[in-house]
Formats: sequence, C-alpha cells, structure tokens
Amino acid sequence: GAVVSQHPSWVICKSGTSVKIECRSLDFQATTMFWYRQFPKQSLMLMATSNEGSKATYEQGVEKDKFLINHASLTLSTLTVTSAHPEDSSFYICSAQRTGVIGEQYFGPGTRLTVT
Amino acid sequence: EDQVTQSPEALRLQEGESSSLNCSYTVSGLRGLFWYRQDPGKGPEFLFTLYSAGEEKEKERLKATLTKKESFLHITAPKPEDSATYLCAVDGGSGGYQKVTFGTGTKLQVIP
Repeated sequence: GAVVSQHPSWVICKSGTSVKIECRSLDFQATTMFWYRQFPKQSLMLMATSNEGSKATYEQGVEKDKFLINHASLTLSTLTVTSAHPEDSSFYICSAQRTGVIGEQYFGPGTRLTVT
Repeated sequence: EDQVTQSPEALRLQEGESSSLNCSYTVSGLRGLFWYRQDPGKGPEFLFTLYSAGEEKEKERLKATLTKKESFLHITAPKPEDSATYLCAVDGGSGGYQKVTFGTGTKLQVIP
C-alpha cells in the first residue's frame, strides 16, 4: 500500500508556456499533499503544502502565482508551472500523507521538467 | 529554524562491510524523525519513522536508532542493491501542521 503516482514523468516545454503535473495517491486517501523541488546533488526543498478543499500554503520565497496548486480531491493534487522559464527546470516531486495521520510521507516518482 | 545535518556525504563500502550513517538534528520540538532511501531519478522511498529517544526500528539489513540529538542508520552486511542516497528528515511542526526538514543525504555505494 501507499503508492503515489506522478504524471508526466518527464516533460520538455518552451519558455513562456505552462505545464501541469499531476500527483495521485493510488491506494489511500490523502488530505494533505506536498510539493518539492530537488536540484542535482541537493536535498528536497519544500515548495508548498496542499490541503484538499483549501488553498495551498506556500513556503517563503515560492511564488504562488507562478506555481499554482490545486487539491480538488482526496487522491489528486496538481501543480501548474505558469509561464515557465529555463530556471524553472528541475525535478519536481510530490508526496502524500494518509488522511488522519501526521507522520511519514509517501513520495511519487518525480517529474523532470526541462524548459528550453 | 530546524536543521538536519547528515554525514558522511558519501560512503563507499565493500559488500559485507557494515557501517553507520549519521543524522544530527536541531529542532524545537521533535514529532518524528524519518529515514528515506532515494535512487537516482526517483522519488524517496519511506523506510522508518522514529518518535522518541531510545527507539529502534529494523528492516532487513537496516536498523535505525534515535537519541535526543541524532539518529543513526546502521547497515549490516550491505549488498550492492543497498546502494542509494539515504535521506533523513525531521518533523518540527505542531498541532495539525507538519513541518518537515530534510538533510542533504548520504550517498552510499556498495561494491561487490
């Protein structure tokens, strides 16, 4: 149990376009999901906490108008990178937490975004 | 601000050579310490949660321990398939809010 999927696994887009990344918890309900960025040889940087049915909580320095998060159901959260630029190229990883449980997070496989 | 420091940054072991990875942390109120394994180009895989000093958990060749200042991940008789980056994280949140801080990881290479 505790499987999280992400789609797409990789995407290449042109500068100025928008990209949507989906995160799904496949076999459990997740009231809370998290979005991270990871640069090469660096650790995970939390971007935002996504709660089902409410607005996401963004970490300091993360532009909420650029990284739009929607958590419309207990199994799906989406991250949209708007007007992407080359500096947005990164590995984006989501994680999900079982509803009612504060503790370990279960991670998706990640999405490699390259903006040309 | 919560801080997590992992050492060493990289570790190279011969197959069967046991060792330990260290995770030192500073947090105002620890609600949980987590260990994850991450393979290149993939998301982290959950291994353990430790909640209080003195707690230990085991899974196959891995054993995690916790004190008030640090955690160790002991690897007994490692195999090449144990090669990965091991991440430590702490939850310093309160109430219904989780605040997880990750370390930069220890990259483990096990040589046949």
